[in-house]
Amino acid sequence: QTVLTQPPSVSAAPGQKVTISCSGNKSNIGTQYVCWYRQFPEKAPQLLLYDNDLRPSGIPDRFSGSKSRPSATATLDITGLQPGDEAHYYCAAWDSSLRAVVFGGGTWLTVL
Amino acid sequence: QVQLVQSGAEVRKPGASVKVSCKASGYIFTNNYYLHWVRQAPGQGLEWLGWINPNTGATLYAQKFQDRVTTTSDTSISTVYMEISSLRPDDTAVYFCVRPLHMGELTRSLGHWGQGTLVTVSS
Repeated sequence: QTVLTQPPSVSAAPGQKVTISCSGNKSNIGTQYVCWYRQFPEKAPQLLLYDNDLRPSGIPDRFSGSKSRPSATATLDITGLQPGDEAHYYCAAWDSSLRAVVFGGGTWLTVL
Repeated sequence: QVQLVQSGAEVRKPGASVKVSCKASGYIFTNNYYLHWVRQAPGQGLEWLGWINPNTGATLYAQKFQDRVTTTSDTSISTVYMEISSLRPDDTAVYFCVRPLHMGELTRSLGHWGQGTLVTVSS
């Protein structure tokens, strides 16, 4: 049972934009920073965004993030979709009640 | 560049223990960089086990793992270890060691990942 809720899958055509949501509560997304990871099959996850909307070095600006404190929901936007973007995407945040890093269940992105 | 190189795959019987190592390079190990352990069961999502400050030995574990997981560090060889005891079949997973991007940061950006170590628990 995961603490953060993501849709199991999303899809969009090449060149289009897709949004992946991540819902939590006031103990995690509502009050803590959110980060996003991408994972290709059989590979280690890769950090895409941290502190809600900051990109590590090497991550293109096609990836962007935002967060709504009142609804405790974060979103990952990917624009200019490419076939190589097909992967699992996970959100994560610190949970101050559980005193643990919590992850979403992951969203598989299909680029049609 | 930062590298985290983990030990190889392990197979254990239920009830046994396993110790996975993670050797760090490319940065000063004794600086204030925490190291985390995250696991992923086959076909499943990511699950956080805990962190260690390799320099002070301070640790924090997810409540689920507090009784069975122990993380230690050996600063002389820039290596951290994660041991799980009383293994069960549902502990079968790939275990990753992970370092945040920034010194002194706890959990906000798990940016450097080891290659993962598959632990299989089977009778």
